[in-house]
Amino acid sequence: GAVVSQHPSWVICKSGTSVKIECRSLDFQATTMFWYRQFPKQSLMLMATSNEGSKATYEQGVEKDKFLINHASLTLSTLTVTSAHPEDSSFYICSARRVREYGLSGNTIYFGEGSWLTVV
Amino acid sequence: DAKTTQPNSMESNEEEPVHLPCNHSTISGTDYIHWYRQLPSQGPEYVIHGLTSNVNNRMASLAIAEDRKSSTLILHRATLRDAAVYYCILREGGYNQGGKLIFGQGTELSVKP
Repeated sequence: GAVVSQHPSWVICKSGTSVKIECRSLDFQATTMFWYRQFPKQSLMLMATSNEGSKATYEQGVEKDKFLINHASLTLSTLTVTSAHPEDSSFYICSARRVREYGLSGNTIYFGEGSWLTVV
Repeated sequence: DAKTTQPNSMESNEEEPVHLPCNHSTISGTDYIHWYRQLPSQGPEYVIHGLTSNVNNRMASLAIAEDRKSSTLILHRATLRDAAVYYCILREGGYNQGGKLIFGQGTELSVKP
């Protein structure tokens, strides 16, 4: 199946610093990628939709100035957590939408492995 | 976004079939029914999706009610590696479309040896 890769898998940063997480679609082009956050024992919460070449669309309650999203190419989206605080510690997951060239069954979204962020 | 309802948890014995139910009474005509599963500390994994007809793939089968207000994910022979949280999600579909995935709480499946 399609592969979506995130980097880094885990990162520890100091409070007040910024950290960048990359999401790459390795064997397909993705005009749309999605960023989620997941706290322990909870479900995934959609943070934003990242569209190649345009601004990201943020879900209600998500601070766009704190969580900067850049989708500069058809295979790469980045999430930067700015001025990180301990409460930003979480599992961050990206996904990419693979557009089918033929057929009417819609398209499939594939997820990365996730990135653990710990802010100390 | 249309909502789904799933049991919080289910148990199964290894090598036996598992039927994971999902209710989606407010489904619209263009919503596809998607199933994903998530193992601990991993991103979700695509399992199967369908619109109206039952679907089979190498991982599972999806049985969709005639009125589309409910569906069932069927794992034909559960293995220990199938222990995960299973999410049933409605997603706007259609060629070259496909909305975002909004996750509910899912069903935590445990498999006993």
